Amino acid sequence: ILNVEQSPQSLHVQEGDSTNFTCSFPSSNFYALHWYRWETAKSPEALFVMTLNGDEKKKGRISATLNTKEGYSYLYIKGSQPEDSATYLCAFTSGYSTLTFGKGTMLLVSP
Amino acid sequence: SAVISQKPSRDICQRGTSLTIQCQVDSQVTMMFWYRQQPGQSLTLIATANQGSEATYESGFVIDKFPISRPNLTFSTLTVSNMSPEDSSIYLCSVETRGNTEAFFGQGTRLTVV
Repeated sequence: ILNVEQSPQSLHVQEGDSTNFTCSFPSSNFYALHWYRWETAKSPEALFVMTLNGDEKKKGRISATLNTKEGYSYLYIKGSQPEDSATYLCAFTSGYSTLTFGKGTMLLVSP
Repeated sequence: SAVISQKPSRDICQRGTSLTIQCQVDSQVTMMFWYRQQPGQSLTLIATANQGSEATYESGFVIDKFPISRPNLTFSTLTVSNMSPEDSSIYLCSVETRGNTEAFFGQGTRLTVV
C-alpha cells in the first residue's frame, strides 16, 4: 500500500505571509509527483508535475522542490493572497500506476 | 488538455436510494477514472472505466455498489447504489495519462446521504 502524507493538515495565514507545505511519499519506484490546487466547487487544477530528483518548478508566487531519494516535496507560496485559499493536494505515481493522493493541506489566507 | 463537465454538482439523498453522476469530456479519451473523497480522507480511486469493457475496481469497491457505464469515448456515469450516510463524499471523475503528465478533473459532486 502506497502512503502519501501531507502536512500540515490545515493552515491559516495572513495576507502577505509566505508559507510552505510538505508531501512525503515512498522513495522506491518513484515515477512522478504531482501538486494540485483544489478550490471549493471547482475542479482540482494541476500546479506541477515533477519527475527528476532535485527538480525545482515555479509558477508565479508558487514554487515546488523535489527530493526523490528521501521521498519528500515542498510547496512554497510567497506573499500569500486570499485567492490562494484552497486545498493543496500532492499525488505520487510509481511506474505505470494510477495516482495516489495525500489528504491535502487546507490553506486559508485572511485579508 | 481536457475539459470535463460533471453533474450534478451536489445532491442530498435519502438512504436506500441511488444517484447517478455523469461526466462529459470535450475530447475522446481511452480511460476515465472515478474517485471518492470521504470527509477528512484522501482522494481515493474507485475504478477505472474503459470504453467497451467492464470497469476495473480498486480493492474495497464493488460493481454492485458503484456500477459504471462507459458507452463511448467522451462520456461515463457512476452510480452510487443503495446509499447510506457513509457514502456522503465528494465524487470526482478524471482523465489522466498515467505518470508524468497532469490529470484533469470534473468539478466534483458533493453527495450528502440523510
